[in-house]
Amino acid sequence: ETGVTQTPRHLVMGMTNKKSLKCEQHLGHNAMYWYKQSAKKPLELMFVYNFKEQTENNSVPSRFSPECPNSSHLFLHLHTLQPEDSALYLCASSQLGTSPTNEQFFGPGTRLTVL
Amino acid sequence: SQQGEEDPQALSIQEGENATMNCSYKTSINNLQWYRQNSGRGLVHLILIRSNEREKHSGRLRVTLDTSKKSSSLLITASRAADTASYFCATDASSGAGSYQLTFGKGTKLSVIP
Repeated sequence: ETGVTQTPRHLVMGMTNKKSLKCEQHLGHNAMYWYKQSAKKPLELMFVYNFKEQTENNSVPSRFSPECPNSSHLFLHLHTLQPEDSALYLCASSQLGTSPTNEQFFGPGTRLTVL
Repeated sequence: SQQGEEDPQALSIQEGENATMNCSYKTSINNLQWYRQNSGRGLVHLILIRSNEREKHSGRLRVTLDTSKKSSSLLITASRAADTASYFCATDASSGAGSYQLTFGKGTKLSVIP
């Protein structure tokens, strides 16, 4: 579990707040992902970064803004969220290119509650 | 549309019994992966089976893949209380043209009673 770390582990915010989630991977991978996990729904892929370039944005509302300053760090900036955005946000990384399997390594997640 | 669909949604067994979970998917895949998630935690990769493989073993885990039926099963033998978790299948249908997505199902919640 220490291969991918996420902070904070828990976050409670009001709808007018601005906050950021942080993810760091210590595995030397070149791709990083943000997922949203809500109760009774499949894991939803939000963003993919491959070599620091965003390659996927699965119709995520603009109130979620990702940032990938380097291949080890990934942020998710949050502003004017809605209560339905409350969920577990998971970060993952993988090594693309040399490994064709896309096995992903997950962080422990940030439990977000929007009041 | 959702690619992986696990069955059953919940499974409760006694310690020592075997647990079988199934996954169905809709499109052609490169590989299928199984992940485990303890409550409120991140997912942990368990095992991967490629599209040209039919069966794979890892410790007490056995995975089968039937591409003609677009289905996979995960068998956990001699279950332990510590196996209590949610189990997800994920399909990799990446086209190789810059798209690297895994599609996850809703998961099977396994409870192993001591």
